[in-house]
Order: sequence, then structure tokens, then C-alpha cells
Amino acid sequence: GAVVSQHPSRVICKSGTSVKIECRSLDFQATTMFWYRQFPKQSLMLMATSNEGSKATYEQGVEKDKFLINHASLTLSTLTVTSAHPEDSSFYICSGPGDPDTQYFGPGTRLTVL
Amino acid sequence: AQTVTQSQPEMSVQEAETVTLSCTYDTSESDYYLFWYKQPPSRQMILVIRQEAYKQQNATENRFSVNFQKAAKSFSLKISDSQLGDAAMYFCAYRSAFTGANSKLTFGKGITLSVRP
Repeated sequence: GAVVSQHPSRVICKSGTSVKIECRSLDFQATTMFWYRQFPKQSLMLMATSNEGSKATYEQGVEKDKFLINHASLTLSTLTVTSAHPEDSSFYICSGPGDPDTQYFGPGTRLTVL
Repeated sequence: AQTVTQSQPEMSVQEAETVTLSCTYDTSESDYYLFWYKQPPSRQMILVIRQEAYKQQNATENRFSVNFQKAAKSFSLKISDSQLGDAAMYFCAYRSAFTGANSKLTFGKGITLSVRP
């Protein structure tokens, strides 16, 4: 299957700082990628759709000013958590269409905000 | 809006035995894709199997097969000869076929499968 990478895999930051998470498609190009948030033992919650060359589309209830998404190229999307607080601690996952029919997922990033 | 329901939060199976994970969905669309993803303790989401709604034949991938009942809107996953490495959380997901590969997935709540040695 197609390969998606995420960096970093784990990050710990202080409250009030910003954290950037990168999502790269290694063997395919993607005009659209998706960002999810997942709490332990729960399903994936879609946060936003990242669109190459245009603004991201956010799901209802997701603060666009807190979760900044940039899709700078066909292989890179970034999620920046701004002014992070402990309640932003979570597991963040991205995905992209590795083939015409299927989404492939990155390994995820565990964010801990102290 | 589409919904995906996985009503069993947990299941357990003896190693080498067969287990079936249930999934139902609701949609008014005629063409769509259904998926089973596996999330082991590493939390990497792995595609297990994919079914296209317009195909009547049930998809199979080695020890994994589905029972796709379009009229009943049911999409169950059968794991044969269960192995310890099958222990994971399994998610059923739906995607519309009308908006292409960029359309988002709708996930069920997931089911945690444990495998007893």
C-alpha cells in the first residue's frame, strides 16, 4: 500500500506554545489530505480537509485559528496547534488517497501539552 | 448523512479460531466503498480489506473476508485462523463513490479484538 509519514511521532510542549506536525505522502501526490484526532479507545474524529493551494475545510466545532492547516505541496500537509493547552493533548493522524479508492494513514503523532 | 454502526465494543477469539466482526451502515447512495481498517497497539491504521458496493462478489484478502449484504446494509469481517497479531482495534468505514478519492471517510466506533493463546 501507499506510504504516509508523519513527523514528529511524539512531542511534548509547554502550555501556550505552538507545535507543527508534518504529514508527507512518500509515493503518491495528493491534492487533498485529511487530519484526524483520536482519543484512547475511541474512533477517529475528522478535524479538517487539507487542500493543496487553497484553504482547509474544517469540521463543525473545530477551531480554525487554533488548528492551522497548510497544504504547501502535493506531498506535504502541516497541522500547527497554536497556543496549545493540556486539553489539546491527543493523538493526531493524517491520511491521503494512496490510490484512487483508498485512504492511507500516517503513523500518527502523540501530542502532550504540559 | 451516512452513518456507520459497530455495536460490539469488544470481542475475543481463541487463537486459530474464526471470528466475525459486525458492521452496519446507513446511506441513501447507490455507489460507495466500504473498508475495514486495523489499528494495533502501535496505533498505525492499516487497511485490511475494501469492498466496492457495485461489486456483488465479497472481497477476500488471505485470512480476511467480508460478507457484504447491500440490501441489509451490512458489512461484516471474518477473520479465519486467528493469530496473536490480529489483536487490535478494528474500524469499519464508509466512503461515497460520487466525490472521488478525496471524499472523507465515515468511521464506526470500532471494536477491540483480543486473541487468546
